[in-house]
Amino acid sequence: GEDVEQSLFLSVREGDSSVINCTYTDSSSTYLYWYKQEPGAGLQLLTYIFSNMDMKQDQRLTVLLNKKDKHLSLRIADTQTGDSAIYFCADQYSSASKIIFGSGTRLSIRP
Amino acid sequence: EAGVVQSPRYKIIEKKQPVAFWCNPISGHNTLYWYRQNLGQGPELLIRYENEEAVDDSQLPKDRFSAERLKGVDSTLKIQPAELGDSAVYLCASSARTSGVRGETQYFGPGTRLLVL
Repeated sequence: GEDVEQSLFLSVREGDSSVINCTYTDSSSTYLYWYKQEPGAGLQLLTYIFSNMDMKQDQRLTVLLNKKDKHLSLRIADTQTGDSAIYFCADQYSSASKIIFGSGTRLSIRP
Repeated sequence: EAGVVQSPRYKIIEKKQPVAFWCNPISGHNTLYWYRQNLGQGPELLIRYENEEAVDDSQLPKDRFSAERLKGVDSTLKIQPAELGDSAVYLCASSARTSGVRGETQYFGPGTRLLVL
């Protein structure tokens, strides 16, 4: 079945760029999403990319999609302490509205 | 505009007891989702409603879980009886569009954290 994988942890220094990676297995993905979850809160949609795009930029966020390798990344420029959270990659495939989430990457910020 | 509202935020029960969670989606959103999020995992879909119809409940353990969305707005998810393994965060989400191949932005509520003792 469809699967989405992410590394569990990432630690970066404040002010540096963070790059969170994700791989997926589905060949018929339509949209790929990045969600942010802060402690005790629900998931907040950060950004998404349509499967026929290679890149999408939104302020400090850059999403890169390599459809051939089924690899998605989220780059956060100038990482701040408020960026500390768990980041989930999610894959929506063509059969209606089903979305598969990865297990999340916990981003921690060092001073 | 209010987001997705869920209650209660926290629930502690003993095993074999029933429990119910309530969700009020964003006004005008036709599609409603219930997810379960286990510790250290991403959300997993339990059931999806389009209006009042459950269009995908393939992952709902139907022996003990039930859900309803009678008027196509609010929804209730019930577990009876609860087991230790049901301890998790139960998330509700809603989206504006009904099924289709275009991307649907799902908006999540804060979740109900369930602990079964």
